[in-house]
Order: sequence, then C-alpha cells, then structure tokens
Amino acid sequence: DAKTTQPTSMDCAEGRAANLPCNHSTISGNEYVYWYRQIHSQGPQYIIHGLKNNETNEMASLIITEDRKSSTLILPHATLRDTAVYYCIVRAPNSGYALNFGKGTSLLVTP
Amino acid sequence: GAVVSQHPSWVICKSGTSVKIECRSLDFQATTMFWYRQFPKQSLMLMATSNEGSKATYEQGVEKDKFLINHASLTLSTLTVTSAHPEDSSFYICSATHRASGNTIYFGEGSWLTVV
Repeated sequence: DAKTTQPTSMDCAEGRAANLPCNHSTISGNEYVYWYRQIHSQGPQYIIHGLKNNETNEMASLIITEDRKSSTLILPHATLRDTAVYYCIVRAPNSGYALNFGKGTSLLVTP
Repeated sequence: GAVVSQHPSWVICKSGTSVKIECRSLDFQATTMFWYRQFPKQSLMLMATSNEGSKATYEQGVEKDKFLINHASLTLSTLTVTSAHPEDSSFYICSATHRASGNTIYFGEGSWLTVV
C-alpha cells in the first residue's frame, strides 16, 4: 500500500471547519483513500473513503485532487467530540490486506 | 455502517494465565478479520490476519504460539493470549472486512488487557 504523510497535529475552533490534509503521492490506480479516526481509548471509527471523485456523507467531506496525490478531509462544523487522531490510509479494497496505520493527525477542537 | 463488537472491553489477569478476547461481526459475515495491538501513545500495529476456516497469518515478530487466533465461523474470531506477562498489557483491537460496502474495514471497540 502507498504511504501517506499527514501533519502531526492541528487545532480547530469549535463550530469552524476542520480541514485535514494528506499527501499520498505514490498512490496506485486501484487504491482508494480511506479516513478513520480514533477517539481516546476506543477502536478506530470509519469516516469516509473515495477513489477520485469528491465524496460527502453525514460525517465529513473528502476532497481528492485531480492527480490523486493528495486529499483533504473536511469536518464542516467541528465539535469538541471531534477531538481525535485522524488517519489517512490508502488501500486497494480487493487486496485482502489490512489497513496500515501511520501516526495520523491529532486534531484538537477547542471551545 | 457495519458493527463489529469485542468482548470483554477490559480484563485483568494474573501473570501466567491465559485470556481470550472475542471479536464478532454483528450484522454481516466476515471472511477476513484482523487483529491489532496498540501501546500507549503509539499507533495500531497489525498482529495477524484471520481468515475463516484457515490458519491465521501472523506479522513478523508476533509469536503465533503465544497469540492464538481462531476464526471458526464467519462472524467470530478469537484471540487468546497464552501465558500472559505484564509486557502483554495493551489495547487489542479487531477489525472485519465488510464486503457489501466495497470491502470497507470496520473496527471493534477494543479490549484493554492488564496483566498483573
């Protein structure tokens, strides 16, 4: 699986949009971009994934650049409960392989 | 999304004893499940891949005789930590592949193991 690069930490004010970047310049054509988050002392929570089109669900939006070398996860109105470590992972879904977690971005949402 | 459940959420055991952690896919069948371990302030480390009806595939450095994985049904995988020692104290997390959502992987809540 291609590696990803994320900032170590970010802050965001409550109610504002949180934009979390991820670089995946070596992504392959059959690899999707997945985002998970892990709130302290819990298992990772699936957020969203995409191949090349922008995606939106009830939790977040995913913007993937046209060359697919980077993406941004957007939490439109961050709340205190969104404080977590966010992981960007690229994976070919039919590979049968597990998700390989890097260090992720620690997002702190402040009042 | 799909639901994956682990039990117990936390367990304390004495050094030298064995402890079993269960991972269930509640509303779907999972031919493949994965087991991870996470130490404080570190990221998740893959321990093994569990395929229903076959032997688990362990990552390098993970002792297969110490961490016994059984995936006897399409909804249940178990991890048994045998002869546990304090250094095995960790957060153990399982995950399962959900075919209906394009092989998206969902995670359990995790199990805290403390060996005293």
